[in-house]
Amino acid sequence: GAGVSQTPSNKVTEKGKYVELRCDPISGHTALYWYRQSLGQGPEFLIYFQGTGAADDSGLPNDRFFAVRPEGSVSTLKIQRTERGDSAVYLCASSLIPGANVLTFGAGSRLTVL
Amino acid sequence: GQQLNQSPQSMFIQEGEDVSMNCTSSSIFNTWLWYKQDPGEGPVLLIALYKAGELTSNGRLTAQFGITRKDSFLNISASIPSDVGIYFCAGPISGGSNYKLTFGKGTLLTVNP
Repeated sequence: GAGVSQTPSNKVTEKGKYVELRCDPISGHTALYWYRQSLGQGPEFLIYFQGTGAADDSGLPNDRFFAVRPEGSVSTLKIQRTERGDSAVYLCASSLIPGANVLTFGAGSRLTVL
Repeated sequence: GQQLNQSPQSMFIQEGEDVSMNCTSSSIFNTWLWYKQDPGEGPVLLIALYKAGELTSNGRLTAQFGITRKDSFLNISASIPSDVGIYFCAGPISGGSNYKLTFGKGTLLTVNP
């Protein structure tokens, strides 16, 4: 597509529920990144995919967070047993050059955990 | 973790005025990036700087990569209402992974028509 597409744009869930957030990167971009932006803060790195594999997942806060990219295009960020502190905007980005620092971000998925 | 300190935190200016904001860190950066984020949108890259001392312009925007590699500034000339938004500096810390960006907390710019 023309840009990075993220769905849903907004998600409200209850504490303890499971959530999936989807990212469709720019066509042809092999590198995909997830960042998390809390209120009043800048984005923070979560995970980097090069192709189908997670090249760096060092930013995932704990084992409740997991991300996949099975066919090297669309990625899903999965959060188990959500907590109120997980409330944030989850941003996906992609880049044409693997490991580049010039990223194109999507509009984000705003997650609210009640 | 490493921090980027952006100042000011917020600015309220009149249309037509020039704006200056900056970003400092205790760590060395090899690249400085300036992003703008509109409400409900993701950050959009404005300017990328790759060399100490580099001065780069993009329309009414000018940014510089500090000589010490620990700071950068962004200037906006003749501000217009659509300049409203949050401006973030970001970059990969020297010695770290190139794709792992550290962002500042942002400068919120409000332009009064």
